[in-house]
Amino acid sequence: EVQLVQSGAEVKKPGESLKISCQGSGYTFTTYWIGWVRQMPGKGLEWMGIMYPGDSDTRYSPSFQGQVTISADTSTSTAYLQWSNLKASDSAIYYCARQPTGYYAMDVWGQGTTVTVSS
Amino acid sequence: QSALTQPPSVSGSPGQSVTISCTGTSSDVGRYNRVSWYQQPPGTAPKLMIYEVSNRPSGVPDRFSGSKSGNTASLTISGLQAEDEADYYCSSYRTSSTSLYVFGNGTKVTVL
Repeated sequence: EVQLVQSGAEVKKPGESLKISCQGSGYTFTTYWIGWVRQMPGKGLEWMGIMYPGDSDTRYSPSFQGQVTISADTSTSTAYLQWSNLKASDSAIYYCARQPTGYYAMDVWGQGTTVTVSS
Repeated sequence: QSALTQPPSVSGSPGQSVTISCTGTSSDVGRYNRVSWYQQPPGTAPKLMIYEVSNRPSGVPDRFSGSKSGNTASLTISGLQAEDEADYYCSSYRTSSTSLYVFGNGTKVTVL
């Protein structure tokens, strides 16, 4: 079974750093893109960026460029989303999702990671 | 990034059909057949329902269908069922001068 399993909920203070994870299983991790999507409380979906673990090709939405870093560890089939200086406005649910090459849609989603940033 | 435009809500009785529109521009919906639709019941992760305008992934009921005309894509749910009550989002690939992909602002489907 193809699955993306995300790390658990996080509670952080403004200014702190954070790295959340998304582990893939049941498929060849390096041959599918992994994207990240933000959903702020009570709001819609926002596309953040996407990475191809096979060659580390990474694209960011201008809204998130410089605010987050997307990376991957192919030895553990895990993708990461990280912040170096959290803000209260980063509080949201973050989803990872798999995207087959040439498919232009996210076909398998993780369960989501809730990030709360509060002083 | 400007979101694609969807109606905030649509509703219908069981067995009826509802259609959700998704309006973009000539840089996204109008330019590419790369529109997808996602279903998100409350408290759950999104699920892919339609890709490349009108294709259904395996396991998605054929009550769900997609189409496109010009800069507007549409999702139609025929024979509405109670379990179809959810938020629905469209998404499109776009020319990379802005974000590579963009989502719609979402539509709440209510089954009366």
